[in-house]
Amino acid sequence: QVQLVQSGAEMKKPGASVKVSCAASGYTFRSYPIHWVRQAPGQRLEWLGWINTGRGNTKYSQKFQGRITISRDTSATTAYMELSSLRSEDTAVYYCARFTNTLESLDHWGQGTQVTVSS
Amino acid sequence: QSALTQPPSASGSPGQSVTISCTGTSSDVGGYKYVSWYQQHPGKAPKFIIYEVNKRPSGVPDRFSGSKSGNTASLTVSGLQAEDEAYYYCSSYAGSDTYVFGTGTKVTVL
Repeated sequence: QVQLVQSGAEMKKPGASVKVSCAASGYTFRSYPIHWVRQAPGQRLEWLGWINTGRGNTKYSQKFQGRITISRDTSATTAYMELSSLRSEDTAVYYCARFTNTLESLDHWGQGTQVTVSS
Repeated sequence: QSALTQPPSASGSPGQSVTISCTGTSSDVGGYKYVSWYQQHPGKAPKFIIYEVNKRPSGVPDRFSGSKSGNTASLTVSGLQAEDEAYYYCSSYAGSDTYVFGTGTKVTVL
């Protein structure tokens, strides 16, 4: 069965960077893009960007351009999201999700990774 | 890229119907057929329940239905059940390989 397993909770200081991993299994990793979405406490879902896991090209939300890097390791079937210059407003649960082109939707989600930014 | 606008809350008694709107622009909701809806229970990851405006993935009850008119998409939950109490988010393709989510609606089953 399709599974996306994310890395554990992170506590970071303002100005630092965080890198969250998303290990995929149960399907052909290179055939499905991976998207990243975050949710601040009590807030809405916010789309961050995505990676074409086959070719490696990426697209980011304009809001995070310059601060976010999404990458993948096809041999490890794992995607990564790195966010730099962290501030308190980046405190959120970060989700990875598999995108299915035929459905144009995020059909499987990781369990989420809590990232807390505090001095 | 502004968030799509949803009402903060909606409610209904068991067995009744509730409809949630999702208003965007001609650059997102109105411009493409790629509107999805996600259900999220507290503390859980979202689950997708509608794709391409009005299609249900396998396993999703037919009590959930979607539609779109102009720049506004809608999700209707018919025959409300206690387990339908959750947050619901719309999402749309917004051009240039980008996507946008709605502001979210909390559905309460009275």
